[in-house]
Order: sequence, then structure tokens, then C-alpha cells
Amino acid sequence: QKEVEQDPGPLSVPEGAIVSLNCTYSNSAFQYFMWYRQYSRKGPELLMYTYSSGNKEDGRFTAQVDKSSKYISLFIRDSQPSDSATYLCAMSADSWGKLQFGAGTQVVVTP
Amino acid sequence: SQTIHQWPATLVQPVGSPLSLECTVEGTSNPNLYWYRQAAGRGLQLLFYSVGIGQISSEVPQNLSASRPQDRQFILSSKKLLLSDSGFYLCACGGPSGSSYEQYFGPGTRLTVT
Repeated sequence: QKEVEQDPGPLSVPEGAIVSLNCTYSNSAFQYFMWYRQYSRKGPELLMYTYSSGNKEDGRFTAQVDKSSKYISLFIRDSQPSDSATYLCAMSADSWGKLQFGAGTQVVVTP
Repeated sequence: SQTIHQWPATLVQPVGSPLSLECTVEGTSNPNLYWYRQAAGRGLQLLFYSVGIGQISSEVPQNLSASRPQDRQFILSSKKLLLSDSGFYLCACGGPSGSSYEQYFGPGTRLTVT
């Protein structure tokens, strides 16, 4: 069983819709939770990070962490075609930065 | 903010040939540095990380090695490439103030072993 599970998609939504992404994990020691966006053939770009449980909002992006369910989510409001990318969740149990990544979900926002 | 440079951008190498990928970082000092590999359609796999000059930790046993000769330089090497070494290699840098869970990635090197 992988430590971090993420549905690869693709997830296709119309422009303006809410995109809902999630990951589940098995290691209860994870404390740091990150979301990265990766455009085709580019390096990942950090979108948001959260420590422990709770919600965090940044513009159109909201990240949620539910440690009791071992489940994290990312919501993108008012989606745009430029949001079309692969979204990777990542998590770490310590401050050394040894991240465990999900496989990534491909998102396609259609005009 | 940090800027991470990687070269070359693409590389095609025959099986059995050596490899050297370089990563340099600007805009920070004494960063934690990381090498990841991403196979097609898959997530990132941590290969090596370094907390300082000459300090390398390996996460996955393989025919690759890493070195950190200078504070902001990280090199990934192999003496003899295998077909399974093909992939997208990414260098990353830990964030400011020791926030290494907040990582910033370079543009990557796409390696094809033929």
C-alpha cells in the first residue's frame, strides 16, 4: 500500500466551476501537508502548505487537512483554463523535508 | 526568494554511459537540497537530500550518487546508466528559515536512456 494515495484523473471541469482534489494517507506521523501545481514538462510549483489539521485559504485556493480521517483536500474556486495542470499532494513527518508525494491529479478546465 | 537552475534541460544517453546533472541555487544560503525523480505519469520519488556541504543522505538504493561540493551546488551522478534511469530529474531547495517542508523546484532535466 502506498503511503499517499491520489486519484490520477483526469478531472475535467467547465470554466468557473469549483475543482475539488483530495489525497488520503496511511502514516499518522505526517504533520506537514503541501499542494503543488505542475504544468506539463515543468518543475512543480508550491501552492499551499498546512501544518497539522485545519483550513487555509489563499485567494481562490483552500486547503483542508483532516488528520483524524487521514484526508487532505484542495479546492479551487472560479476555475480558469490556466488552472489546467497536474496537482500533486505531498506530506512530511519531520522538518528535514523528506516529502512523500501522491501520483498527481490531472485537471482540465474547459472554456 | 530562491532561484534554482538545472542543466542540461534534456539529455539522451546510451546505456552504460556516465551521467552528471548539476543544480545551483541562488537567493539563499545553507539550504537543504533535494534530488527527485519523476517517472512518466507518476509522482515524485526522493532520491537524495543534503543538509550541508559533503552531507548526503540516500533514500533509494540504486546506481546513482549525489555530491554537494559547495553550499549552493548539488550534483547527481552515475558511472553507468541503466534503461530504468530514464525520467524527469528535479532539484529542490528547502524554504527560508529552515522550513524544508516548503520546497521550491528547479525546471528539471529530462533524461532518456537508450
